[in-house]
Amino acid sequence: SQQGEEDPQALSIQEGENATMNCSYKTSINNLQWYRQNSGRGLVHLILIRSNEREKHSGRLRVTLDTSKKSSSLLITASRAADTASYFCATVYPSGGSYIPTFGRGTSLIVHP
Amino acid sequence: EPEVTQTPSHQVTQMGQEVILRCVPISNHLYFYWYRQILGQKVEFLVSFYNNEISEKSEIFDDQFSVERPDGSNFTLKIRSTKLEDSAMYFCASGQGSGTQYFGPGTRLLVL
Repeated sequence: SQQGEEDPQALSIQEGENATMNCSYKTSINNLQWYRQNSGRGLVHLILIRSNEREKHSGRLRVTLDTSKKSSSLLITASRAADTASYFCATVYPSGGSYIPTFGRGTSLIVHP
Repeated sequence: EPEVTQTPSHQVTQMGQEVILRCVPISNHLYFYWYRQILGQKVEFLVSFYNNEISEKSEIFDDQFSVERPDGSNFTLKIRSTKLEDSAMYFCASGQGSGTQYFGPGTRLLVL
């Protein structure tokens, strides 16, 4: 399978703590994206990191990419209760001209107030 | 900020009935996608659409499914004869190629 796999499956932390989620994949990618999904809602794009990039920041989010290890991590600093959601990594590789993100099963994050 | 919209938000149908799920992608996007998410499971790719034709489809996207872009704005997913296992959240997305895909809020389909 070419999908990314997130780790851990579930994460429970206290507000103010940092949350780290990891994603591993198997084949070379064009880019890797992280999404958030609140329960029963749509997917919200967080960050895209290209295969030639190693780190990107967006507010309290930091994403790293290690193509040699075929892995990525999403760090949420100073977490808030509102960060409670499922987080998915999606690996994107060119396929017949369509860049199809393939989603993993996600990490369920619970941030306790 | 432009966004992808989907209608209806919820659809309940009887097994064997046809359903059409509608999406309005972001206007300057060229690539359009449908995904589904069965309750509690991961998001699964169904089909991508570019230049008025299907560019990629998954094994899930069998003959019961079809997509259409009937005009310059709408992008539809039709399920001809729904089955119980078609019950899921269906997401439309649009993008400009290899970059970010923007997802709609989804249509929750329940087949009884």
